[in-house]
Amino acid sequence: GAGVSQSPRYKVAKRGQDVALRCDPISGHVSLFWYQQALGQGPEFLTYFQNEAQLDKSGLPSDRFFAERPEGSVSTLKIQRTQQEDSAVYLCASTPLPGGHNTGELFFGEGSRLTVL
Amino acid sequence: GDSVTQMEGPVTLSEEACLTINCTYTATGYPSLFWYVQYPGEGLQLLLKATKADDKGSNKGFEATYRKETTSFHLEKGSVQVSDSAVYFCALQSGATNKLIFGTGTLLAVQP
Repeated sequence: GAGVSQSPRYKVAKRGQDVALRCDPISGHVSLFWYQQALGQGPEFLTYFQNEAQLDKSGLPSDRFFAERPEGSVSTLKIQRTQQEDSAVYLCASTPLPGGHNTGELFFGEGSRLTVL
Repeated sequence: GDSVTQMEGPVTLSEEACLTINCTYTATGYPSLFWYVQYPGEGLQLLLKATKADDKGSNKGFEATYRKETTSFHLEKGSVQVSDSAVYFCALQSGATNKLIFGTGTLLAVQP
């Protein structure tokens, strides 16, 4: 498809399990973002990639969160030893622009809803 | 740090009523400003944007003007429809990475 694709759409994990969330950005998009959206809240920035380089990971809440984009296209967000407070929708977004160009919109996927029991 | 504050919802209106959702921001430098909309069961999508002071963004009958003097970007529509029911997010974009900083969202419910 032409849009940002995320999988799985829904994930239920037991506390302590590891999860991996996948994002397929729009082909050719240089920049990729991960956001966390808790219920009833706005999306909160987690991390940013420009091609394969992770240039900003200031929003990752703990060292249990890890993201990669090894070939500059598909990205994976991994959460180790999940906790109940990790329950949220995880959004991926991409844009064709590199950093520093603040005039472009971000194209969002539909998100992966994680529920930790 | 940079931040966005928007009015809390829910906002409940009758069809054809006027809408204003307030948004103010705090930022260093000169951010670009956006309104994103999230319809039920769908992903976030851009509604409108403005990239410099006094610019007016508009789309689907919605408007917002970038006011640097009041650091505001209020969303307005003269006559809402039931199909406008959604969550609206104000956001700013600045700095070296293009990341968006969002407000908490405002739920709009339009009744026939």
